[in-house]
Amino acid sequence: GAGVSQSPSNKVTEKGKDVELRCDPISGHTALYWYRQSLGQGLEFLIYFQGNSAPDKSGLPSDRFSAERTGGSVSTLTIQRTQQEDSAVYLCASSLAWTKPQETQYFGPGTRLLVL
Amino acid sequence: SQQGEEDPQALSIQEGENATMNCSYKTSINNLQWYRQNSGRGLVHLILIRSNEREKHSGRLRVTLDTSKKSSSLLITASRAADTASYFCATDGGGGADGLTFGKGTHLIIQP
Repeated sequence: GAGVSQSPSNKVTEKGKDVELRCDPISGHTALYWYRQSLGQGLEFLIYFQGNSAPDKSGLPSDRFSAERTGGSVSTLTIQRTQQEDSAVYLCASSLAWTKPQETQYFGPGTRLLVL
Repeated sequence: SQQGEEDPQALSIQEGENATMNCSYKTSINNLQWYRQNSGRGLVHLILIRSNEREKHSGRLRVTLDTSKKSSSLLITASRAADTASYFCATDGGGGADGLTFGKGTHLIIQP
């Protein structure tokens, strides 16, 4: 089936505005992850969902970041009052389930966010 | 903090040569994965090696894992121009993190 999809591909916004990023995981995958990749940096884990369970928000960079997942499928990552340091590529991934140890994650193409 | 640290940060070789990238990590792991990223976009999973494995092959890829040294290497044999990409190692959240923990990656350039 189709892979992980994300929208928009690119987003340019002004400092102080809110943005919403969307992720559609692979059908049947119950685990969904959000990562952030800043210029020249590795990937920073933000948050994950297993099904509809409430996520652990401790990995989010600040309280301006929030995420939700409706119906155990689509997820949105919302950044309120964006700051220039929020500029990054936001990557979403999914896997069959959240397990320990973690198995292969399938990544979407990412949303490139630029805050002016 | 970064769990995985790849070296070198950048590597440029001629097409047909072998490319070796290394990854070191700090805490104990259950498995280690390698991913490839083209042009700063989505990552593609290459290979997963478990902590009780020492070597694994997949096509032109060979991964080794030395848990005593907390290090792994990725070897790409007979490199091709299409192998030009950034390569990341990822561990399964050392320290209890719920997501994979990635290093900063090695940027590989294959010169035609």
